Amino acid sequence: AQSVTQLGSHVSVSEGALVLLRCNYSSSVPPYLFWYVQYPNQGLQLLLKYTSAATLVKGINGFEAEFKKSETSFHLTKPSAHMSDAAEYFCAVSGSGATNKLIFGTGTLLAVQP
Amino acid sequence: SAVISQKPSRDICQRGTSLTIQCQVDSQVTMMFWYRQQPGQSLTLIATANQGSEATYESGFVIDKFPISRPNLTFSTLTVSNMSPEDSSIYLCSVEGRGGLNTGELFFGEGSRLTVL
Repeated sequence: AQSVTQLGSHVSVSEGALVLLRCNYSSSVPPYLFWYVQYPNQGLQLLLKYTSAATLVKGINGFEAEFKKSETSFHLTKPSAHMSDAAEYFCAVSGSGATNKLIFGTGTLLAVQP
Repeated sequence: SAVISQKPSRDICQRGTSLTIQCQVDSQVTMMFWYRQQPGQSLTLIATANQGSEATYESGFVIDKFPISRPNLTFSTLTVSNMSPEDSSIYLCSVEGRGGLNTGELFFGEGSRLTVL
């Protein structure tokens, strides 16, 4: 069975500050991990993904995430927040090669203050 | 990337009625997925729709409540039947990316926001 836990349903940062969105996973098989972003009134868009290659993954819009097996974590970071980063972010997990199902976390709503 | 169009984008429905959501993709895809996003909650997979066969439903979802059609490789519909206020959600259509399902890259439509009174 697989699951993801996102700590913090709401995160607020100042413009220019570090963004850190937390995601921990549980998986009985080597996982594939993903971050998706949902802007207001839009569908989800893939931000980045880990599929067993480099543990530090770079995505779009300056975001990156590091896969840490020992901590079962895949936290999303961005050095400097921009107002346009305000959105909801979802962490998701699937089983590598074993399943076609993505299991999503509950989401974290990021607010960026001027 | 795939371009996915959903109709309607939003609707307000009366209890006991049914509504069909359409999903059109700009390229042929093997599988299409229907998700539900309830208010303040995450996405839950309802079913996987393959062309030419019956949809595969996840635990907690049944065909009588959420019948799905998949007449060709670019189109699918999801019907929400006999609606109640608990069905108020955003319903999202998605398809896999070119890398296939194992890459986990799904493309999503903008969703259909249903409010049931």
